[in-house]
Amino acid sequence: RKEVEQDPGPFNVPEGATVAFNCTYSNSASQSFFWYRQDCRKEPKLLMSVYSSGNEDGRFTAQLNRASQYISLLIRDSKLSDSATYLCVVNGRTGGFKTIFGAGTRLFVKA
Amino acid sequence: DGGITQSPKYLFRKEGQNVTLSCEQNLNHDAMYWYRQDPGQGLRLIYYSQIVNDFQKGDIAEGYSVSREKKESFPLTVTSAQKNPTAFYLCASSMFSSNQPQHFGDGTRLSIL
Repeated sequence: RKEVEQDPGPFNVPEGATVAFNCTYSNSASQSFFWYRQDCRKEPKLLMSVYSSGNEDGRFTAQLNRASQYISLLIRDSKLSDSATYLCVVNGRTGGFKTIFGAGTRLFVKA
Repeated sequence: DGGITQSPKYLFRKEGQNVTLSCEQNLNHDAMYWYRQDPGQGLRLIYYSQIVNDFQKGDIAEGYSVSREKKESFPLTVTSAQKNPTAFYLCASSMFSSNQPQHFGDGTRLSIL
Protein backbone atom coordinates (compact mmCIF):
# COMPACT_ATOMS: atom_id res chain seq x y z
CA ARG A 1 0.00 0.00 0.00
CA LYS A 2 1.32 3.46 -0.89
CA GLU A 3 1.90 5.84 2.02
CA VAL A 4 -0.28 8.50 0.38
CA GLU A 5 -2.90 7.57 -2.20
CA GLN A 6 -4.98 9.70 -4.51
CA ASP A 7 -7.39 8.91 -7.30
CA PRO A 8 -5.44 10.00 -10.40
CA GLY A 9 -8.64 11.00 -12.22
CA PRO A 10 -9.05 12.81 -14.49
CA PHE A 11 -12.11 14.54 -13.14
CA ASN A 12 -13.94 16.33 -15.94
CA VAL A 13 -16.48 18.85 -14.63
CA PRO A 14 -18.41 21.78 -16.12
CA GLU A 15 -17.81 25.33 -14.97
CA GLY A 16 -19.77 26.09 -11.82
CA ALA A 17 -19.75 22.51 -10.58
CA THR A 18 -18.65 21.36 -7.14
CA VAL A 19 -15.92 18.72 -7.08
CA ALA A 20 -14.26 16.86 -4.22
CA PHE A 21 -11.02 14.93 -3.98
CA ASN A 22 -9.95 12.54 -1.26
CA CYS A 23 -6.49 11.45 -0.21
CA THR A 24 -5.72 8.58 2.15
CA TYR A 25 -2.55 8.17 4.19
CA SER A 26 -1.17 5.11 5.94
CA ASN A 27 0.90 6.55 8.81
CA SER A 28 -1.31 7.30 11.78
CA ALA A 29 1.53 9.38 13.30
CA SER A 30 1.36 11.92 10.45
CA GLN A 31 1.39 15.43 11.83
CA SER A 32 0.52 17.96 9.15
CA PHE A 33 -1.27 17.98 5.85
CA PHE A 34 -1.37 20.20 2.80
CA TRP A 35 -2.92 20.54 -0.64
CA TYR A 36 -0.80 21.79 -3.51
CA ARG A 37 -1.77 22.73 -7.03
CA GLN A 38 0.48 21.93 -10.00
CA ASP A 39 -0.14 23.32 -13.46
CA CYS A 40 1.20 21.52 -16.51
CA ARG A 41 5.02 21.80 -16.70
CA LYS A 42 5.15 24.08 -13.67
CA GLU A 43 6.21 23.73 -10.05
CA PRO A 44 3.75 22.72 -7.30
CA LYS A 45 2.31 25.66 -5.40
CA LEU A 46 0.85 25.54 -1.91
CA LEU A 47 -2.93 25.80 -2.09
CA MET A 48 -3.79 25.42 1.57
CA SER A 49 -2.86 23.71 4.81
CA VAL A 50 -5.36 21.27 6.30
CA TYR A 51 -6.28 21.74 9.94
CA SER A 52 -7.98 19.29 12.26
CA SER A 53 -11.04 21.50 12.54
CA GLY A 54 -11.30 21.92 8.78
CA ASN A 55 -10.61 25.18 7.00
CA GLU A 56 -11.91 27.23 4.14
CA ASP A 57 -10.28 29.65 1.73
CA GLY A 58 -12.77 31.20 -0.64
CA ARG A 59 -14.18 28.45 -2.85
CA PHE A 60 -11.85 25.84 -1.38
CA THR A 61 -12.54 23.76 1.73
CA ALA A 62 -10.12 21.26 3.24
CA GLN A 63 -10.98 18.66 5.85
CA LEU A 64 -9.02 16.12 7.88
CA ASN A 65 -10.39 12.87 9.21
CA ARG A 66 -7.76 11.34 11.49
CA ALA A 67 -9.89 8.36 12.48
CA SER A 68 -10.22 7.21 8.87
CA GLN A 69 -6.84 8.67 7.85
CA TYR A 70 -7.91 10.80 4.93
CA ILE A 71 -7.99 14.42 3.90
CA SER A 72 -10.33 16.02 1.40
CA LEU A 73 -10.46 19.07 -0.83
CA LEU A 74 -13.77 20.55 -1.98
CA ILE A 75 -13.88 23.09 -4.78
CA ARG A 76 -17.13 25.00 -5.21
CA ASP A 77 -18.20 26.97 -8.29
CA SER A 78 -15.37 25.56 -10.41
CA LYS A 79 -13.59 27.94 -12.78
CA LEU A 80 -11.72 27.13 -15.97
CA SER A 81 -8.57 28.30 -14.18
CA ASP A 82 -8.99 25.56 -11.56
CA SER A 83 -7.88 23.01 -14.17
CA ALA A 84 -4.67 21.54 -12.74
CA THR A 85 -3.29 18.58 -10.83
CA TYR A 86 -3.96 18.64 -7.10
CA LEU A 87 -1.33 17.05 -4.86
CA CYS A 88 -1.96 15.80 -1.36
CA VAL A 89 1.05 16.15 0.99
CA VAL A 90 1.57 14.53 4.37
CA ASN A 91 4.30 15.40 6.90
CA GLY A 92 5.27 13.11 9.73
CA ARG A 93 7.99 11.73 11.87
CA THR A 94 8.77 8.07 11.33
CA GLY A 95 12.43 7.44 12.11
CA GLY A 96 13.09 11.04 11.17
CA PHE A 97 11.27 13.87 9.50
CA LYS A 98 9.48 12.83 6.31
CA THR A 99 7.26 14.45 3.70
CA ILE A 100 5.23 12.31 1.34
CA PHE A 101 3.67 13.68 -1.85
CA GLY A 102 0.71 11.98 -3.43
CA ALA A 103 0.88 11.40 -7.19
CA GLY A 104 -1.93 13.89 -7.75
CA THR A 105 -5.49 14.11 -9.06
CA ARG A 106 -6.04 15.76 -12.42
CA LEU A 107 -8.97 18.14 -12.79
CA PHE A 108 -10.32 19.51 -16.05
CA VAL A 109 -12.97 22.20 -15.86
CA LYS A 110 -14.89 22.64 -19.12
CA ALA A 111 -16.78 25.67 -20.41
CA ASP B 1 11.04 39.44 -2.81
CA GLY B 2 11.77 36.23 -0.95
CA GLY B 3 11.84 33.04 -2.93
CA ILE B 4 13.66 30.08 -4.39
CA THR B 5 15.68 30.48 -7.58
CA GLN B 6 16.62 27.54 -9.76
CA SER B 7 18.94 27.80 -12.72
CA PRO B 8 19.17 27.13 -15.52
CA LYS B 9 15.58 26.67 -16.64
CA TYR B 10 16.65 24.24 -19.38
CA LEU B 11 19.80 22.13 -19.50
CA PHE B 12 21.17 19.65 -21.98
CA ARG B 13 23.66 16.96 -21.03
CA LYS B 14 25.99 15.03 -23.26
CA GLU B 15 26.76 11.37 -22.61
CA GLY B 16 29.35 10.93 -19.87
CA GLN B 17 29.03 14.49 -18.65
CA ASN B 18 28.32 15.73 -15.15
CA VAL B 19 26.02 18.72 -14.85
CA THR B 20 25.14 20.88 -11.84
CA LEU B 21 21.75 22.41 -11.14
CA SER B 22 21.67 25.49 -8.96
CA CYS B 23 19.17 26.20 -6.17
CA GLU B 24 19.30 29.34 -4.02
CA GLN B 25 16.78 30.54 -1.43
CA ASN B 26 16.50 33.77 0.52
CA LEU B 27 13.67 32.65 2.78
CA ASN B 28 16.03 31.80 5.65
CA HIS B 29 14.70 28.24 5.54
CA ASP B 30 16.63 25.53 7.34
CA ALA B 31 15.73 22.60 5.13
CA MET B 32 16.19 22.16 1.39
CA TYR B 33 15.15 19.35 -0.93
CA TRP B 34 15.65 18.05 -4.45
CA TYR B 35 12.92 16.17 -6.30
CA ARG B 36 12.69 14.56 -9.68
CA GLN B 37 9.44 14.44 -11.65
CA ASP B 38 8.99 12.34 -14.78
CA PRO B 39 6.15 13.04 -17.25
CA GLY B 40 2.78 12.15 -15.77
CA GLN B 41 4.37 10.99 -12.52
CA GLY B 42 4.60 12.21 -8.95
CA LEU B 43 7.58 13.76 -7.17
CA ARG B 44 10.41 11.51 -6.03
CA LEU B 45 12.88 12.69 -3.39
CA ILE B 46 16.56 12.66 -4.42
CA TYR B 47 18.33 14.33 -1.46
CA TYR B 48 17.45 16.60 1.40
CA SER B 49 19.35 18.72 3.90
CA GLN B 50 18.12 19.93 7.25
CA ILE B 51 21.20 21.94 8.27
CA VAL B 52 24.38 23.26 6.71
CA ASN B 53 27.08 20.67 6.02
CA ASP B 54 24.65 17.80 6.41
CA PHE B 55 22.42 16.03 3.91
CA GLN B 56 20.56 12.74 3.59
CA LYS B 57 19.75 10.44 0.69
CA GLY B 58 16.18 10.28 -0.47
CA ASP B 59 14.48 7.49 -2.37
CA ILE B 60 16.43 7.80 -5.65
CA ALA B 61 19.89 9.19 -4.75
CA GLU B 62 21.94 6.92 -7.02
CA GLY B 63 23.70 8.89 -9.75
CA TYR B 64 23.26 12.22 -7.95
CA SER B 65 25.32 14.24 -5.48
CA VAL B 66 24.70 17.38 -3.44
CA SER B 67 26.46 19.80 -1.12
CA ARG B 68 25.21 22.24 1.51
CA GLU B 69 28.05 24.62 2.30
CA LYS B 70 25.74 27.59 2.84
CA LYS B 71 22.26 27.80 4.29
CA GLU B 72 20.87 29.46 1.18
CA SER B 73 22.39 27.14 -1.42
CA PHE B 74 21.84 23.45 -2.25
CA PRO B 75 23.28 22.52 -5.68
CA LEU B 76 22.53 19.16 -7.27
CA THR B 77 25.02 17.40 -9.54
CA VAL B 78 23.68 14.85 -12.00
CA THR B 79 26.59 12.53 -12.64
CA SER B 80 27.33 10.33 -15.63
CA ALA B 81 26.30 7.39 -13.45
CA GLN B 82 22.67 8.53 -13.76
CA LYS B 83 21.73 6.70 -16.96
CA ASN B 84 18.28 8.21 -17.39
CA PRO B 85 18.58 11.83 -16.30
CA THR B 86 15.89 13.33 -18.53
CA ALA B 87 13.32 14.78 -16.13
CA PHE B 88 11.96 17.91 -14.44
CA TYR B 89 14.04 18.73 -11.34
CA LEU B 90 12.47 20.69 -8.52
CA CYS B 91 14.17 22.27 -5.55
CA ALA B 92 12.18 23.12 -2.43
CA SER B 93 12.81 24.59 0.99
CA SER B 94 11.01 24.79 4.31
CA MET B 95 11.48 25.68 7.93
CA PHE B 96 12.64 22.60 9.80
CA SER B 97 9.39 21.60 11.39
CA SER B 98 6.86 18.94 10.53
CA ASN B 99 4.14 21.60 10.56
CA GLN B 100 5.64 23.72 7.81
CA PRO B 101 4.97 23.29 4.08
CA GLN B 102 7.64 23.19 1.40
CA HIS B 103 7.98 25.97 -1.15
CA PHE B 104 9.28 25.23 -4.63
CA GLY B 105 11.49 26.87 -7.21
CA ASP B 106 10.24 26.91 -10.79
CA GLY B 107 12.32 23.90 -11.81
CA THR B 108 15.00 22.86 -14.27
CA ARG B 109 14.26 20.65 -17.28
CA LEU B 110 17.19 18.38 -18.07
CA SER B 111 17.50 16.51 -21.35
CA ILE B 112 20.12 14.29 -22.91
CA LEU B 113 21.66 15.37 -26.20
